[in-house]
Amino acid sequence: DVKVTQSSRYLVKRTGEKVFLECVQDMDHENMFWYRQDPGLGLRLIYFSYDVKMKEKGDIPEGYSVSREKKERFSLILESASTNQTSMYLCASLGAALGSPQHFGDGTRLSIL
Amino acid sequence: DAKTTQPPSMDCAEGRAANLPCNHSTISGNEYVYWYRQIHSQGPQYIIHGLKNNETNEMASLIITEDRKSSTLILPHATLRDTAVYYCIVRGTTSGTYKYIFGTGTRLKVLA
Repeated sequence: DVKVTQSSRYLVKRTGEKVFLECVQDMDHENMFWYRQDPGLGLRLIYFSYDVKMKEKGDIPEGYSVSREKKERFSLILESASTNQTSMYLCASLGAALGSPQHFGDGTRLSIL
Repeated sequence: DAKTTQPPSMDCAEGRAANLPCNHSTISGNEYVYWYRQIHSQGPQYIIHGLKNNETNEMASLIITEDRKSSTLILPHATLRDTAVYYCIVRGTTSGTYKYIFGTGTRLKVLA
């Protein structure tokens, strides 16, 4: 089974802090994604990566950056955390086989105070 | 990506089959149908997916109509642990179409 592991289930940070969310997958998948999920807004794509050191902006990249130095690891960085970034953050990975499903981690519930 | 429409909520008696419908009338030829569920405070769990043919795995069955404009997820013997929000998603297979668009889903409540 595909395993996508997010480093923290719950995280509390202060406004202005630099925040790192880590995600690791064990299936050698090329593609990895960061979403945020908010009530009434569904999942929104922040960034995705289709290869090491490659990244593409999603729908809401402002205030975020990403890093993919190794194939199995995709990091989301909040450069200067703000209260409107309080959310559930979900990482997903996707293999190259046609029609493969995305597999999600358990999420990180981030609170910015 | 095609838009999907699902009923907002459904109830099902424990032990009975749960049939969750999804309408995706604007689906195009290379788009797959995926089903996920999400239990509160957890990430979405993959259930099943298909292109044209009906599919079955250890969790569920997926029935896709011949014109592919709708599908039904079947949980054959629902248990209390199947209570969750179920999402139907349609997604393409070419680069640039990988993004999932989750709608509001169907909140399934399995009743004892």
